[in-house]
Amino acid sequence: QSVLTQPPSVSGAPGQRVTISCTGTSSNIGAGYVVHWYQQLPGTAPKLVMYDNNIRPSGVPDRFSGSKSGASASLAITGLQAGDEADYYCQSYDNSLSGSVVFGGGTKLTVL
Amino acid sequence: QITLKESGPTLVKPTQTLTLTCSFSGFSLSSRGEGVAWIRQPPGKALEWLALIYWDDDTLYSPSLKSRLTITKDTSKSQVVLKMTNVDPADTATYYCAHREVSEMGNWFDAWGLGALVTVSS
Repeated sequence: QSVLTQPPSVSGAPGQRVTISCTGTSSNIGAGYVVHWYQQLPGTAPKLVMYDNNIRPSGVPDRFSGSKSGASASLAITGLQAGDEADYYCQSYDNSLSGSVVFGGGTKLTVL
Repeated sequence: QITLKESGPTLVKPTQTLTLTCSFSGFSLSSRGEGVAWIRQPPGKALEWLALIYWDDDTLYSPSLKSRLTITKDTSKSQVVLKMTNVDPADTATYYCAHREVSEMGNWFDAWGLGALVTVSS
């Protein structure tokens, strides 16, 4: 069971907007630690799409945006495209048990 | 451009020790602030962070696997090695190494290897 909780799946039609949530606790996101997001296309390695809550790496379209509030964070994707269909993972830091990097359980985005 | 590549056995027997090597280029692990992590993903399951080694030889391990893991670096070879003892079929996964990037606020992984699938079976 992952430390950060994500919905198993979300879906949307092309052109629509979807959000993926990532819920933590007082020892990770709620403690003020930032959240990062990765996109994993089928059969490939994860790719960073957002860091430090809301900063897009070079090359990531501005259709992707991130936010954080309290012990939760969200990744929003607008103007959905078929190529966005992938698994998305959030990542943060947890200060319990000597500290560790923690991932969410992943969310499968389906473009209908 | 940062690149990383994992190498190691594809099949390991239960109770054996798994040794994986990450060979990288585009940065030096002797430079202040640099770090390399190992992350795994069982088939059809989520990512799981395993270990992280920093430029200054400091290390960080997953609390649940700490007793079984050792991460080391060879700066001259631009390699990071992960050893996992007493493997079990539950350790069957794709193992990734990744470059750690850092800001004032956090750490993330901005470059990943392609991954190495390791199967634990007798």
